[in-house]
Amino acid sequence: AQSVTQPDIHITVSEGASLELRCNYSYGATPYLFWYVQSPGQGLQLLLKYFSGDTLVQGIKGFEAEFKRSQSSFNLRKPSVHWSDAAEYFCAVEAGSGNTPLVFGKGTRLSVIA
Amino acid sequence: DGGITQSPKYLFRKEGQNVTLSCEQNLNHDAMYWYRQDPGQGLRLIYYSQIVNDFQKGDIAEGYSVSREKKESFPLTVTSAQKNPTAFYLCASSTTGGRPEAFFGQGTRLTVV
Repeated sequence: AQSVTQPDIHITVSEGASLELRCNYSYGATPYLFWYVQSPGQGLQLLLKYFSGDTLVQGIKGFEAEFKRSQSSFNLRKPSVHWSDAAEYFCAVEAGSGNTPLVFGKGTRLSVIA
Repeated sequence: DGGITQSPKYLFRKEGQNVTLSCEQNLNHDAMYWYRQDPGQGLRLIYYSQIVNDFQKGDIAEGYSVSREKKESFPLTVTSAQKNPTAFYLCASSTTGGRPEAFFGQGTRLTVV
């Protein structure tokens, strides 16, 4: 069965510092990969997605992620964090067929300090 | 505006009562999903449907039921058999096949007292 691991439950960064959120998946083939963001009490918003091709993908709000097949990873990065980036971030995978539900990691809560 | 609407945003029910959460989408998506979110647990799949009049159980279907009589609607009933129903419930929809992208509603927070 597919699984997604986000090793960091909570990360605190200073405003203006760089950010990397880790995501590892377990699946035989190359799945489709996603990062979502959630503000408290809200739904999820898609930040970026990877289906195939270029392993560095750009998303909204200045985020990017890199797919590394050898490490089964899809880490999310941002060069300079803003206070408004404080939220919960979820990595998700789909089997690669487009016909199965997303499987989510448990999330990483990001706090931003001045 | 296209999107997914969940209602109500907050719901309070007494223990032992069934309650139905509404989810409507106007994105013309074939697939719809219900997830449950608890602190520190991420999102866990309850039920999903890829076509009208058909649905499949997810990882935590016990104590829940769904219907899919219309493409636009996928209501979730939390029954009295659900042992711990207090949670945040999220509905999503997506295209099927190809390169899917799931869109989420704003969620319903259910509190059972």
